[in-house]
Amino acid sequence: DVKVTQSSRYLVKRTGEKVFLECVQDMDHENMFWYRQDPGLGLRLIYFSYDVKMKEKGDIPEGYSVSREKKERFSLILESASTNQTSMYLCASSPARGSLGDTQYFGPGTRLTVL
Amino acid sequence: SQQGEEDPQALSIQEGENATMNCSYKTSINNLQWYRQNSGRGLVHLILIRSNEREKHSGRLRVTLDTSKKSSSLLITASRAADTASYFCATVPIPRDDKIIFGKGTRLHILP
Repeated sequence: DVKVTQSSRYLVKRTGEKVFLECVQDMDHENMFWYRQDPGLGLRLIYFSYDVKMKEKGDIPEGYSVSREKKERFSLILESASTNQTSMYLCASSPARGSLGDTQYFGPGTRLTVL
Repeated sequence: SQQGEEDPQALSIQEGENATMNCSYKTSINNLQWYRQNSGRGLVHLILIRSNEREKHSGRLRVTLDTSKKSSSLLITASRAADTASYFCATVPIPRDDKIIFGKGTRLHILP
């Protein structure tokens, strides 16, 4: 079974802190994604990556950056956390470029609270 | 950009009854998928139906796709308490822009 893990289930940070959310997948998937999920807004794509060191902006990249130094790991970085970044963050992966529309496998999520 | 929209937003039914959720979308699609999310957890893929398919089954799940109406339905038969979750449809539009677009979900509550 595909396993996608996220470094924390719950995280509390203060405004202005730099925050790292880590995601690791164990199935050699090419594609990885970061979403945030807010009540009434559904899932919104922040960034995604086709390959190591490749990244593409999603629908709401402002205030975020990402890093993909290794194929299995995709990190989401909040350079200076703000209260409006309080949310549930979901990482996902999918097999290969060219099949980006195929099944995505999700991690358990990180609920981030910024005070 | 919101592509899929589920209906209803919330649904409560008695255990053992069938649950039907609908999804409408706006543009032509390559495929449509349904996912389940238990409270506070990640999403789990349930089923994928391609644009040239009309119906697909998986266990107690039945998905239909009507591309002329740009709509899909998810039927869960003989519901169980464990089916309580949010259900999302997700579409891959044509032309493909390499993203799946998720709807806002239907919250399903199975009453004992």
